[in-house]
Amino acid sequence: KQEVTQIPAALSVPEGENLVLNCSFTDSAIYNLQWFRQDPGKGLTSLLLIQSSQREQTSGRLNASLDKSSGRSTLYIAASQPGDSATYLCAVLYGGATNKLIFGTGTLLAVQP
Amino acid sequence: NAGVTQTPKFQVLKTGQSMTLQCAQDMNHNSMYWYRQDPGMGLRLIYYSASEGTTDKGEVPNGYNVSRLNKREFSLRLESAAPSQTSVYFCASNWQANTEAFFGQGTRLTVV
Repeated sequence: KQEVTQIPAALSVPEGENLVLNCSFTDSAIYNLQWFRQDPGKGLTSLLLIQSSQREQTSGRLNASLDKSSGRSTLYIAASQPGDSATYLCAVLYGGATNKLIFGTGTLLAVQP
Repeated sequence: NAGVTQTPKFQVLKTGQSMTLQCAQDMNHNSMYWYRQDPGMGLRLIYYSASEGTTDKGEVPNGYNVSRLNKREFSLRLESAAPSQTSVYFCASNWQANTEAFFGQGTRLTVV
């Protein structure tokens, strides 16, 4: 079964700290992996997309890595701010006959001022 | 610059009632998806449409039907709503498999 797991489920850090969110997936036959942010009561906002042939992507203070062989991705947030507080979701697009996006359960991040 | 638009934003149904959730995208995307999001469960795929004219079941299709009306529109129908279908529903789309997915703002559905 194609599954995506995110650890930890919740994380609280003081402002200014660097942090890493983890995502693991069970099937290495992926097209891409995408990280999203979701604010309470809102939709999902795409943060970074890593293609299966790439190892990492960067956008501002965010850096996402992908290791297909181990089935892992990390989202690194540098110099965290209270405005970074949200739920972070990773999603894997599997190819082949399925072509469907499978989500992890998310990590709820709280950055304390 | 609308992106993915879902209607309605909120809905309350009585058990047994039917309704259709509408989704439209203006990005000329080929693939469209319907998800539900429940506390502690994350987003689960209900149905998807890889291209116009095709639909396939996801993880939790029971109790739902879909229609890919044209390339822009992908609707989700509840024929006989049940309290277990109380959830937040999200529509998403992407151009092709290896491109970024975009999400609508969600429909919060309560079945009483």
